[in-house]
Amino acid sequence: DGGITQSPKYLFRKEGQNVTLSCEQNLNHDAMYWYRQDPGQGLRLIYYSQIVNDFQKGDIAEGYSVSREKKESFPLTVTSAQKNPTAFYLCASSILAESNEQFFGPGTRLTVL
Amino acid sequence: DQQVKQNSPSLSVQEGRISILNCDYTNSMFDYFLWYKKYPAEGPTFLISISSIKDKNEDGRFTVFLNKSAKHLSLHIVPSQPGDSAVYFCAASGGVIQGAQKLVFGQGTRLTINP
Repeated sequence: DGGITQSPKYLFRKEGQNVTLSCEQNLNHDAMYWYRQDPGQGLRLIYYSQIVNDFQKGDIAEGYSVSREKKESFPLTVTSAQKNPTAFYLCASSILAESNEQFFGPGTRLTVL
Repeated sequence: DQQVKQNSPSLSVQEGRISILNCDYTNSMFDYFLWYKKYPAEGPTFLISISSIKDKNEDGRFTVFLNKSAKHLSLHIVPSQPGDSAVYFCAASGGVIQGAQKLVFGQGTRLTINP
């Protein structure tokens, strides 16, 4: 079964701690994306990567970092510099960087206590 | 600066009737539009899309209409079914930027289908 997996589904962390959210895809997609969703708001782009070892900042990259060492994996680290980290985080991928349709994972809800 | 807007946070429709979800955009460079459906605690799933060279695209019970002059698109669901109850996001794409297609999402509209 091809798809995008995100783990864990729910994550709790103390304020001031860094936390890394996992995103893996076996769709052989080139491009991967990280979004954040807050209540009553649309999805906002954090980072994206069109190819291995390359990634770009999205609209709200401050306080986040990513890596793309493998085509299948695009982990997101929420650092202590992120002022409001509690949110629902969604990972997505697309076949080619130029593709319009993005496929989403199930998401990780991060709660910072 | 909200480039894609869904002005109705929620919509309630009776089962069997038509559901119409609306979306407005401000950026005339957008050339491709998508609708996604999202259930609680799940990722969005792609529903239907339309290119700016068309004004209508139909897929089963779902039809998307695009009015470029008004910078407006709408999603029609006919007939509405209880399983259609979800949050619907409108998204727009403005071409390749730094090697990737960046989607701009609206705030979403929560659709509730009443039996």
